[in-house]
Amino acid sequence: QLQLQESGPGLVKPSETLSLTCTVSGGSISSNTYYWGWIRQPPGKGLEWIGNIFYSGSTYYNPSLTSRVTISVDTSKNQFSLKLNSVTAADTAVYYCARVTRFFGVARSMDVWGQGTTVTVSS
Amino acid sequence: QSALTQPPSASGSPGQSVTISCTGTSSDVGSYNYVSWYQQHPGKAPKLMIYEVSKRPSGVPDRFSGSKSGNTASLTVSGLQAEDEADYYCSSYAGILLFGGGTKLTVL
Repeated sequence: QLQLQESGPGLVKPSETLSLTCTVSGGSISSNTYYWGWIRQPPGKGLEWIGNIFYSGSTYYNPSLTSRVTISVDTSKNQFSLKLNSVTAADTAVYYCARVTRFFGVARSMDVWGQGTTVTVSS
Repeated sequence: QSALTQPPSASGSPGQSVTISCTGTSSDVGSYNYVSWYQQHPGKAPKLMIYEVSKRPSGVPDRFSGSKSGNTASLTVSGLQAEDEADYYCSSYAGILLFGGGTKLTVL
């Protein structure tokens, strides 16, 4: 059974870089059938898609975050990572990683989710 | 691109049916049959309930159904049960992925 687990610091200072890793277990990240994605949810608010990555390294970002986001993949460790720089309090959220089903290059739906990790931006 | 539009709340009594709408544009919901619905209980990760407008993943009760007309997709929950009380989010492919603002479903 595929499982995803987010890890990383729970507290980040303003203007610094948020870094999170998602470890995939029970299956290979090197699959043509899936992208791997990051989604966040500010406290009391809705979901926001951050971006996806394919195992080859191709990335797709939310235009509203593209200037600050980098998603990378390490197939040897079956992990993918998120970096968000120049963070502010508005970046405080629960961050989820997810498996994204892929069909002819189209990201269709997120069928497996990690449990989420809370990141607070504060000095 | 803007987020998809959902009503903030919906409600129904046990056994009843309730429908939640998700309105987009001709560039997202209206152009692609890649609308998904997610259920989220408090403090939990979202769970995929419907994909490709009307398909149910294995294990999702057939009380949950999805449809689409034009730029608006809908999720219908029939035979409401107490455990259906949750937040529901729609999403659509649009070159990128868009989410709706979420609908809080209350079972009266």
